Formats: sequence, structure tokens, C-alpha cells
Amino acid sequence: KAGVTQTPRYLIKTRGQQVTLSCSPISGHRSVSWYQQTPGQGLQFLFEYFSETQRNKGNFPGRFSGRQFSNSRSEMNVSTLELGDSALYLCASSQGLAVPEQFFGPGTRLTVL
Amino acid sequence: AQKVTQAQTEISVVEKEDVTLDCVYETRDTTYYLFWYKQPPSGELVFLIRRNSFDEQNEISGRYSWNFQKSTSSFNFTITASQVVDSAVYFCALSLDSGNTPLVFGKGTRLSVIA
Repeated sequence: KAGVTQTPRYLIKTRGQQVTLSCSPISGHRSVSWYQQTPGQGLQFLFEYFSETQRNKGNFPGRFSGRQFSNSRSEMNVSTLELGDSALYLCASSQGLAVPEQFFGPGTRLTVL
Repeated sequence: AQKVTQAQTEISVVEKEDVTLDCVYETRDTTYYLFWYKQPPSGELVFLIRRNSFDEQNEISGRYSWNFQKSTSSFNFTITASQVVDSAVYFCALSLDSGNTPLVFGKGTRLSVIA
């Protein structure tokens, strides 16, 4: 099976812009989670989608949003970018309910100038 | 709230040495899952192992072994005869058994294996 894929792998934006990141889960996986990784805060949970519904949300401002499509692919959007949004954004997929293993993609490295 | 502590920020060992990475967790729930992930320089988190709170049996997989002790809330990871390819950041994580709850990660331990 192909693993989790994320596009783009690298992104450079300027403050105030918005960005959309994409994640395609492992085939058959219905749950997609997003995490932000920074040197200072480590790995922090953003949100999780299952069957197109957001099931969990982390403690991030409303500028961070996401969605999931009927084919389980997911996108996350960050509006009005700030310098502190520079991070590695990791997407993880799992089969769904009662299957706790999450498998991660290679991440999108976002740099905000 | 759940918390995972990896007290060792960085460890450096010489190839073929054994090394243990410590992980201590906090949760008030009785049912939970513990994980170890490896993050090589490429950035992708690689799943290594999952343990649920009812299974304290230690596990060995090749050069890797895990020691889960509920009495001390620890889930330590040992690499035997370390190799340069083991160099990476290792994360311990916890999630609750209530559907697919978010992973709570420790800060990670950077392991450098020197040839």
C-alpha cells in the first residue's frame, strides 16, 4: 500500500498570506489528523477528521481550519499567516474508530517570511 | 490532562553500544495506548510500536525492545547494539481509548550514534 502523501513538501509564504496543505491518507483509512511541529512547542495536535466530520480540535486559533472530502483526502488551511506559523505540518491517517495506530506522511515544511 | 515526559533531550553513543530512551507518562484514565515513533532527518514519523494499558508484556523486535511498567508509568525503549542508521529523534506518545483521540507527544530524544 502506498503511504500517506502530503503536498506540497515545501512552501514559502509571506506574512498575511494564506496557505492550503493537502494530505492523502493510506487507502482504506478514514481518519486523518494534522499536527504542527516546531522546535519550541514540539508536536501539537491541530484537528482530526473522520468521514468528513471534524471529531477533535486542538488549541489553535480559528485561522487554522481543515476539511475532509468523501475520498478521505484532507486539506488544512491557514489564513493570515504569521511568522510563528513556520513549522513542519504532519498529516497522519488511521483506519478509524478503535484502531489507534496513526501513520504519518513526510510533512509539509512551511516557512513564513 | 495527559502528559508525556522524555527527560533525555539528546543522547550520543558509540556504534554497538546499547542505549535506553526513557518515557514517563501521566494520565488519570485506566485505558490508554502508548506509542514510540522514530523521526529520521527526512522528517516523517515512523511508527515503531503500540502498547495498550492492559498489556504489560515486554516486547522485543530485533534490536529493539520495550519495557512497559504501569507501576512507574514508564514505557522505555532500548536499542541493542546501536547502529548509525538508528540516529534520529525518537518520540513517545500517548492516546486515550475513546475512539481515535489525539496523540500527546513527548518532546523527543535526539539519538546520535557515532561510528
